[in-house]
Amino acid sequence: GENVEQHPSTLSVQEGDSAVIKCTYSDSASNYFPWYKQELGKGPQLIIDIRSNVGEKKDQRIAVTLNKTAKHFSLHITETQPEDSAVYFCAARNNDMRFGAGTRLTVKP
Amino acid sequence: DGGITQSPKYLFRKEGQNVTLSCEQNLNHDAMYWYRQDPGQGLRLIYYSQIVNDFQKGDIAEGYSVSREKKESFPLTVTSAQKNPTAFYLCASETGMNTEAFFGQGTRLTVV
Repeated sequence: GENVEQHPSTLSVQEGDSAVIKCTYSDSASNYFPWYKQELGKGPQLIIDIRSNVGEKKDQRIAVTLNKTAKHFSLHITETQPEDSAVYFCAARNNDMRFGAGTRLTVKP
Repeated sequence: DGGITQSPKYLFRKEGQNVTLSCEQNLNHDAMYWYRQDPGQGLRLIYYSQIVNDFQKGDIAEGYSVSREKKESFPLTVTSAQKNPTAFYLCASETGMNTEAFFGQGTRLTVV
C-alpha cells in the first residue's frame, strides 16, 4: 500500500516568515494530494489540494507543488501568522487515503 | 446542514469490553474511513469502505471491526482483542472521486 513520509515533524518560524513542509509518497498510481490543518482536539480540515495533472496550485498565502517524477509534494505558507500555528498533514490517495505523520508548526509573534 | 458526525465525543471503556463508535454522514458520500491518532502521531488507517456492504482493512485493522449496511453510517467496534485501544478516533467521508475528505470531530476513547 501507499506510504507517505512527511518532514519536518516540528517547525518553528517567526511571524511573517515562510514555512515549507515536504512529503514523499511511494505509490506512483496516487493521483490526489490534499493538505489538512488540525487544531487541538478537532478533526483535520482541508486547506489545499492538488491533482496529479497539475504541478502547482496557489490559494492566497498557501501554495502546493507536486513533482510526480520524484514522487514528492510540498506545502508553502508565506507571511505566516500566529493563527497558522497547528498540526499540518499531507495525504496521498489512490484506492484509499494515507497520511503523513504530521508537522507541528509554531508561528512566534 | 450537511456534515459528518461522530459520537460520543468522549468514551470510557473497561478492559475486556467491546465498544462501538458511531459515524454518520448526510453528505451522500460513497467512501468512508476510520483513522486512529495517538498523541503527537499521524493518522493511521484502520478500515475504509468505498461503497455500501463493502469494506477493506487498513494498516492497523487487528482488534477492530466495521460494518457498512447503510451509505450514511460506518460504525467502528473496538473489540477486547485490541491491546492498546486508548486513542483519538477520527472518521472521514468523501465522494470517492478524489475530492475533499470531511472529518468528524473525533471520539476520544480511554480504557480504564
